[in-house]
Amino acid sequence: NAGVMQNPRHLVRRRGQEARLRCSPMKGHSHVYWYRQLPEEGLKFMVYLQKENIIDESGMPKERFSAEFPKEGPSILRIQQVVRGDSAAYFCASSAQLGQNTEAFFGQGTRLTVV
Amino acid sequence: GQQLNQSPQSMFIQEGEDVSMNCTSSSIFNTWLWYKQDPGEGPVLLIALYKAGELTSNGRLTAQFGITRKDSFLNISASIPSDVGIYFCAGRKTSYDKVIFGPGTSLSVIP
Repeated sequence: NAGVMQNPRHLVRRRGQEARLRCSPMKGHSHVYWYRQLPEEGLKFMVYLQKENIIDESGMPKERFSAEFPKEGPSILRIQQVVRGDSAAYFCASSAQLGQNTEAFFGQGTRLTVV
Repeated sequence: GQQLNQSPQSMFIQEGEDVSMNCTSSSIFNTWLWYKQDPGEGPVLLIALYKAGELTSNGRLTAQFGITRKDSFLNISASIPSDVGIYFCAGRKTSYDKVIFGPGTSLSVIP
């Protein structure tokens, strides 16, 4: 039973390029969460999606960042026109449903480096 | 902004010693979670707490949900080298809310 799969594990982009980060949730999970982690810091919530719907995007920057979780396929976190400050580890987590005793499992993350 | 505080920020202990770390919030949470993150990996859930006053163990780890619902602590007994890593507390204000993370406690174990 595969866990949460994120790819790529490492991504290097030049300033101004686009970055696409993919997350395949665990089998049977329909809730996906994206977090960003800067070096030496905790995880900052970005967005929560349930199949085809954005439930909470209160942590997403207003510009250049978008997320989707289509009916078929992985969830995608898209960063347009990347800047050096976007360099971070981006983690995806998935859960079967909301509520007690249904905690989310994390992937291994994608480490984005903007040069 | 940051809503959870963890202390200490870092710890250096001898192998075999017990460890205690805590997490506080200015808001009431109805779920407290403790995660461990190894370098280059994603966080792994250690213990989940759902009731005020609840005390839960997972092997050498014990965590408690504070009575005020604004704090939680994690104890590790008889530490071993593989306990090295960053320990994050996290919480939810309601059962259907997003999970918020603390800044982490970095643990180093000296053999």
